[in-house]
Amino acid sequence: NAGVTQTPKFQVLKTGQSMTLQCAQDMNHNSMYWYRQDPGMGLRLIYYSASEGTTDKGEVPNGYNVSRLNKREFSLRLESAAPSQTSVYFCASSEAGTGLSEQYFGPGTRLTVT
Amino acid sequence: DQQVKQNSPSLSVQEGRISILNCDYTNSMFDYFLWYKKYPAEGPTFLISISSIKDKNEDGRFTVFLNKSAKHLSLHIVPSQPGDSAVYFCAVLPYGQNFVFGPGTRLSVLP
Repeated sequence: NAGVTQTPKFQVLKTGQSMTLQCAQDMNHNSMYWYRQDPGMGLRLIYYSASEGTTDKGEVPNGYNVSRLNKREFSLRLESAAPSQTSVYFCASSEAGTGLSEQYFGPGTRLTVT
Repeated sequence: DQQVKQNSPSLSVQEGRISILNCDYTNSMFDYFLWYKKYPAEGPTFLISISSIKDKNEDGRFTVFLNKSAKHLSLHIVPSQPGDSAVYFCAVLPYGQNFVFGPGTRLSVLP
């Protein structure tokens, strides 16, 4: 049981380049999330998917797009990377959406945009 | 304006003593409260939770206290162990919404 996996672990992009961060969970969870973590800011929600086939914006969605490919996979795309998107990105999943259910996190992707 | 504050960026405690991590929130409509623990180069892992109808929840060495009138949440670790050294995030769940995380407190437990 791998839990939540993320690829890649590290990435360096130049301004304007695009990339997709991949996330998969094997816990049969309905809900999946993308967060970014910046120093002194905690985890901020970018996008979430309460169930397969639905996606919604979180607190900081600008510059990102997501795809809930199936129940297992939820990808995050940066179409034109900017230095402000330098951050650590975490994917998470939970059994329920906005119910009383803790989230399980992947190991993170450290992204640097130069 | 941050809805969830952890005013101590870091805390050092001697092994065997009590660690107290604090979290303050601004919105009285928060429904559910959690603590997560994060080691370097890993994702956060769930530690303990409490709902707004309780004022205390215990799980082994970890106890979470909720003071709704003061809008204050605390995590007590007794006794503290070196393996507890990590960053601790509190998270609050407004009713019908998604979790809001605090900025974290780095705990160092000294042998």
